[in-house]
Amino acid sequence: SQTIHQWPATLVQPVGSPLSLECTVEGTSNPNLYWYRQAAGRGLQLLFYSVGIGQISSEVPQNLSASRPQDRQFILSSKKLLLSDSGFYLCAWSGEASYGYTFGSGTRLTVV
Amino acid sequence: QKEVEQNSGPLSVPEGAIASLNCTYSDRGSQSFFWYRQYSGKSPELIMSIYSNGDKEDGRFTAQLNKASQYVSLLIRDSQPSDSATYLCAVKWWGFNKFYFGSGTKLNVKP
Repeated sequence: SQTIHQWPATLVQPVGSPLSLECTVEGTSNPNLYWYRQAAGRGLQLLFYSVGIGQISSEVPQNLSASRPQDRQFILSSKKLLLSDSGFYLCAWSGEASYGYTFGSGTRLTVV
Repeated sequence: QKEVEQNSGPLSVPEGAIASLNCTYSDRGSQSFFWYRQYSGKSPELIMSIYSNGDKEDGRFTAQLNKASQYVSLLIRDSQPSDSATYLCAVKWWGFNKFYFGSGTKLNVKP
């Protein structure tokens, strides 16, 4: 069966510090991978998605970047965090068109 | 512009009642429809998917799709306090690799 791992679960970072969040998927090949952010009490905002190694589509211009160095690994990064980067970050994967997303357990980021 | 709309709620129903959650979307040609449940502080989990017009039942949950009217709904029968959560509607259109989410409807089931 397929599983998705996302870490860390919580993170408190000072403004201006770098960020690296990692997501890995097991049990499937060539998944579509996604990074979402959810501000407190708000909906899901798609940040990046990838349909293959090295292929990244950016949805919202911002302080973040994403990379896919391996088929089942998706990384979200920032060189300098802003207060507005605080939120709940979710990684997700999807397979064939008939399947919905499966989300990771999320990372709650607080920038102080 | 592809959009998915949901009433943010909260929708309050008494325990044992039927909860009805609605979602509309912006244009035709859509392919797949999904309902997710998100408990506070947790990640969304998939509870139902539907692809064809009509009803699809899974336990206490029924998804209804009407492509002509561009809406999809979720019925929860015999609502329980444990159903209290935010319900997210998602749509995937042909030719797009991403899903479009509504902002979610918060459901409160009162004992």
